[in-house]
Amino acid sequence: AQRVTQPEKLLSVFKGAPVELKCNYSYSGSPELFWYVQYSRQRLQLLLRHISRESIKGFTADLNKGETSFHLKKPFAQEEDSAMYYCALSKVETSGSRLTFGEGTQLTVNP
Amino acid sequence: EPEVTQTPSHQVTQMGQEVILRCVPISNHLYFYWYRQILGQKVEFLVSFYNNEISEKSEIFDDQFSVERPDGSNFTLKIRSTKLEDSAMYFCATRRREADEKLFFGSGTQLSVL
Repeated sequence: AQRVTQPEKLLSVFKGAPVELKCNYSYSGSPELFWYVQYSRQRLQLLLRHISRESIKGFTADLNKGETSFHLKKPFAQEEDSAMYYCALSKVETSGSRLTFGEGTQLTVNP
Repeated sequence: EPEVTQTPSHQVTQMGQEVILRCVPISNHLYFYWYRQILGQKVEFLVSFYNNEISEKSEIFDDQFSVERPDGSNFTLKIRSTKLEDSAMYFCATRRREADEKLFFGSGTQLSVL
């Protein structure tokens, strides 16, 4: 069975500081990893996915299969980055199947 | 950007009552999902639906739950006899096609069972 772990429930940084939100997963097959974000009073939305290898709003995430991690990073945090961030996994073998979410990390960027 | 619409935004019900949560998917989307999030816990998958049938369901989705798309537009989640532990935020999500990994979420229905 697949599992996603986000060890930090809360993360607080100052504006301009680097930020890293940790995500570890366990899955015996080939996973697809995602980061979803939920800003205050808004809906869950896709931030980025590992297959795209893109940078969205300055965020990047690299899939490390050796460490089974998919940490989300941004070199200079902004106040508007304050939100709830969820790491999620789906199975490559059954593309389009359900997402397994982590517990989420509430990021607060202080001025 | 097109949105997934969920109604109602809040639903309060008595234990044992039936509730129906409604979702209007984005018009050209074909794959539909329900997720839920109990307060303080992670978002959990309930069920996926394609071509008018369930394609996958979790262990949470027992006989008390059902889904349908009766009129080709609304996608509904019914809970026949609600329990206290059904209190949660219920999210509908849709995607255009199977290979399209971007899920679009609705804003959720907060269900409170008293």
